[in-house]
Amino acid sequence: TQLLEQSPQFLSIQEGENLTVYCNSSSVFSSLQWYRQEPGEGPVLLVTVVTGGEVKKLKRLTFQFGDARKDSSLHITAAQPGDTGLYLCAGGKGTASKLTFGTGTRLQVTL
Amino acid sequence: GAVVSQHPSRVICKSGTSVKIECRSLDFQATTMFWYRQFPKKSLMLMATSNEGSKATYEQGVEKDKFLINHASLTLSTLTVTSAHPEDSSFYICSASLLMVEQFFGPGTRLTVL
Repeated sequence: TQLLEQSPQFLSIQEGENLTVYCNSSSVFSSLQWYRQEPGEGPVLLVTVVTGGEVKKLKRLTFQFGDARKDSSLHITAAQPGDTGLYLCAGGKGTASKLTFGTGTRLQVTL
Repeated sequence: GAVVSQHPSRVICKSGTSVKIECRSLDFQATTMFWYRQFPKKSLMLMATSNEGSKATYEQGVEKDKFLINHASLTLSTLTVTSAHPEDSSFYICSASLLMVEQFFGPGTRLTVL
């Protein structure tokens, strides 16, 4: 079984703080996606990275794909309450499009 | 673009009955749809992969006779939970694959079996 371990599992921070979420695996993935999910809703795709070492920025969010394509990180600058949610990484292999989801990181941002 | 809908969003049923959940890709054709189950505060667990016009591929441990999947068109897949029991209560989420790399998720269906 391919496992994607995310850390931390839970993070509670105040508005304005920075944070990093990690997604690690012993397997190589051809693509890595990050999703954010709010309670009672489906996950929403934030970004897809496909190249080892790739860095993508989406406003205050910075995503990085490891050189070996086994790990990824999500960095949020100046967190806001609207960033609260469950963050999920998911790895894909080849063209099968089947995803392996990470264990999840629950982020809570308070005022 | 890439909108996926699910119906119903919530369903409550009695033990022993069957429940059908629909997943539709509204603005694109999806040759592959996926069905996931999510327990409270947990990540998504893939149940099966559904390809249009062929039998679904189930993950290990998922009973195919319990969770019937039909993918009759490029925009519709259905999951039927047969003879539902309280332990089947969960949040069921579908996704549709676009360009075989990205998946776009539906809003989920909360099933409660009494």
